[in-house]
Amino acid sequence: GNSVTQMEGPVTLSEEAFLTINCTYTATGYPSLFWYVQYPGEGLQLLLKATKADDKGSNKGFEATYRKETTSFHLEKGSVQVSDSAVYFCALDSGGGADGLTFGKGTHLIIQP
Amino acid sequence: GAGVSQSPRYKVAKRGQDVALRCDPISGHVSLFWYQQALGQGPEFLTYFQNEAQLDKSGLPSDRFFAERPEGSVSTLKIQRTQQEDSAVYLCASSSEGTLLVYEQYFGPGTRLTVT
Repeated sequence: GNSVTQMEGPVTLSEEAFLTINCTYTATGYPSLFWYVQYPGEGLQLLLKATKADDKGSNKGFEATYRKETTSFHLEKGSVQVSDSAVYFCALDSGGGADGLTFGKGTHLIIQP
Repeated sequence: GAGVSQSPRYKVAKRGQDVALRCDPISGHVSLFWYQQALGQGPEFLTYFQNEAQLDKSGLPSDRFFAERPEGSVSTLKIQRTQQEDSAVYLCASSSEGTLLVYEQYFGPGTRLTVT
């Protein structure tokens, strides 16, 4: 079956530090890959996505590249801000939408000023 | 425009009670999903509707869980004879596309169910 593994949290960084949150996946076929973010007190929001191998998704300074050879979709940001503090979820969709998204457990990111 | 809304936002039920959770998707969205999110975990898929048709209910954990979307818009997730293990946040998401297309799911704020 499908699965997503992402690094355990919490991850605590200082403002302006470089961020990497690792995500690897197991799936049949050619899944689409997503990063969702959940800010405190808010619902899940799509941060970025990639639909095929070597695609790079980007948004709000965050980037992730779909690496089929390593089945990975690591999230990176060059300089984090306090406002980036949130829970980040890596997810995949292998069924063209019919069977929902498969999520990782989430990584809690804490940015200290 | 309005996003996905869910009600109630919080629900406390005594073990054995039935509960009904409502989801109002974004107007015109074809697809609707329900997920269950336990504390400290990622959301897990429960069921999927395309318009009024329930195309996949493979994630429903037991026959106590039932979902419907009779007119292809509002959906209700019903849990009968609630158990403590049903305590979780129930998320609803909608999407403008049907199957076979890459799409974005828009999530509601969730209903936090606590079974005592």
